Amino acid sequence: GENVEQHPSTLSVQEGDSAVIKCTYSDSASNYFPWYKQELGKRPQLIIDIRSNVGEKKDQRIAVTLNKTAKHFSLHITETQPEDSAVYFCAAILNDYKLSFGAGTTVTVRA
Amino acid sequence: DTAVSQTPKYLVTQMGNDKSIKCEQNLGHDTMYWYKQDSKKFLKIMFSYNNKELIINETVPNRFSPKSPDKAHLNLHINSLELGDSAVYFCASSPSYSGRDEQYFGPGTRLTVT
Repeated sequence: GENVEQHPSTLSVQEGDSAVIKCTYSDSASNYFPWYKQELGKRPQLIIDIRSNVGEKKDQRIAVTLNKTAKHFSLHITETQPEDSAVYFCAAILNDYKLSFGAGTTVTVRA
Repeated sequence: DTAVSQTPKYLVTQMGNDKSIKCEQNLGHDTMYWYKQDSKKFLKIMFSYNNKELIINETVPNRFSPKSPDKAHLNLHINSLELGDSAVYFCASSPSYSGRDEQYFGPGTRLTVT
């Protein structure tokens, strides 16, 4: 989206390695940052989210960090597994209740 | 027990036709959305309804007209279909219109305009 930039667009990692996806946003008033995972041919599903009152959140092998000053947030996947292969979308909420999505990162985990 | 369902799953039609996509959620949510996902996987919001009231109306051609008969249903009617309308359309729902809670997506409707 024009308000959320996401990098890289594709990411290939060896099974067991870590994957990191970075997003930047433009609206300093944004205070909610979800991450969605979309497997091939399936619907997007929320995997983790973070609100602006915390700097980091972790759920098993997935973690998200937020730097409000720099207006960027990142998704970290550790010990990647083949089932982590999917398209990952970051998003940020804008003032008018609208979620703006990044362009997506296609993650491929090589066995 | 499907939370958010859409029909049809696939829709192939010719330019100039009119078609509708239906969406239903059984989660008791107040807010429903329509998203368009293009061939590059980009997800863009089109409309949002809260309790049958239009909340978000993005810059979408007026050939697209959403209708919410009740808060569990949100349909999308498209007039005079064009080639550029080919995409996957996702319906979604969430507990509130704040945008700050999880959105539950339907399985998507793949629209192909020939």
